[in-house]
Amino acid sequence: AQSVTQLGSHVSVSEGALVLLRCNYSSSVPPYLFWYVQYPNQGLQLLLKYTSAATLVKGINGFEAEFKKSETSFHLTKPSAHMSDAAEYFCAVSERSGGYQKVTFGTGTKLQVIP
Amino acid sequence: EAEVAQSPRYKITEKSQAVAFWCDPISGHATLYWYRQILGQGPELLVQFQDESVVDDSQLPKDRFSAERLKGVDSTLKIQPAELGDSAMYLCASSSGGERYNEQFFGPGTRLTVL
Repeated sequence: AQSVTQLGSHVSVSEGALVLLRCNYSSSVPPYLFWYVQYPNQGLQLLLKYTSAATLVKGINGFEAEFKKSETSFHLTKPSAHMSDAAEYFCAVSERSGGYQKVTFGTGTKLQVIP
Repeated sequence: EAEVAQSPRYKITEKSQAVAFWCDPISGHATLYWYRQILGQGPELLVQFQDESVVDDSQLPKDRFSAERLKGVDSTLKIQPAELGDSAMYLCASSSGGERYNEQFFGPGTRLTVL
């Protein structure tokens, strides 16, 4: 069964500092991996996705993530945090199961950006 | 730009009452998902439809929850009777579906409060 672990339920960074949000996954087959962002009282928005092409994936708003099979990791980074990045971020893994894709989400990391 | 519509956005009800949520996916999307997101946690899949058929409802509490997608387009999720522990955000998402991963698009969600 697939699973996702996000280390750190809360992360605080200063404005302009590096953002690093950690995600480790477990999957019995090559997975698809995703990062979503959620602002208060809103749905989830896709930031980026890994679908077995390039291991370094660039997304929206300056975020990127690197797929490392040996470490079963898919950490999210951004070189310089902006106040508007304050939100909750979810890592997710998708596997093919019974003819359709099954998606499992992590528990989320709330990012605080300090001015 | 096409969006997933959900209504109502907010619902307050008393325990033992019945509630219903509605979702209209992006036109042409064959797969529809209902998720429950408890505050501070990631989305948990309740039910997944492929067209009008349920392909996964393993986490749906069937004694009180029901979901339907009669014509394979919009969908309704019902809770009867509501319990205090049902207070959560209920998210609907849709994708074009199939065995290959297709991006999920999320609606804004319905915030349910059970008193």
